[in-house]
Amino acid sequence: DIVMTQSPDSLAVSLGERATINCKSSQSVLYSSNNKKYLAWYQQKPGQPPKLLIYWASTRESGVPDRFSGSGSGTDFTLTISSLQAEDVAVYYCQQYYITPFTFGQGTKLEIK
Amino acid sequence: QVQLQQWGAGLLKASETLSLTCAVYGGSFNDYHWSWIRQPPGKGLEWIARIHHSGSTNYNPSLKSRVTISVDTSKNQFSLKLTSVTAADTAVYFCARDPTTAEQLGGWFDPWGQGTVVTVSS
Repeated sequence: DIVMTQSPDSLAVSLGERATINCKSSQSVLYSSNNKKYLAWYQQKPGQPPKLLIYWASTRESGVPDRFSGSGSGTDFTLTISSLQAEDVAVYYCQQYYITPFTFGQGTKLEIK
Repeated sequence: QVQLQQWGAGLLKASETLSLTCAVYGGSFNDYHWSWIRQPPGKGLEWIARIHHSGSTNYNPSLKSRVTISVDTSKNQFSLKLTSVTAADTAVYFCARDPTTAEQLGGWFDPWGQGTVVTVSS
């Protein structure tokens, strides 16, 4: 299985400041034949299912605010919130879909400082 | 707009079989893959299995011996059965769409069902 490791486990950021969450895969999730990175990001608020934010490592899902962005290489990825809003308080997960079993990171809890 | 509605028994005793169903409304059922994912209390997400309307399946090896995923295309529904449950199977179970089709790569999950809390008592 591909192990996904997020850092940090929790993060406190002031409103309006940048938040950065990292995700590392135990093997590359870059498929060389199409140059696509098989990595997604989700936001989960208490009592709700996860919400898709980003897929292909950097493609923002329709309706997701542009303060959310994703980047990364074959094994190291970053989710950035450029200017933290109060509604961004949540747990964030990365997920690889390069190969089954699909696997998720352990989650990063984002709070307001 | 695609919506997923799921249901099933929420309280089980150890050794019983978990059974959940997810209905898909408002979109194409046959084009996509459909998955089950679970989340133990206070923990992260674990992918369980996925199915295509053709019956093609993929399972998480960690659960494969106890899991069956099935599809009813006449009702736009898919189901999960997990046998011999233990307290370790206590979790919120979600159904979700995987946008992988014959013409489009995918593997992420969107949208998700509302979740079903399943508690296994010993």
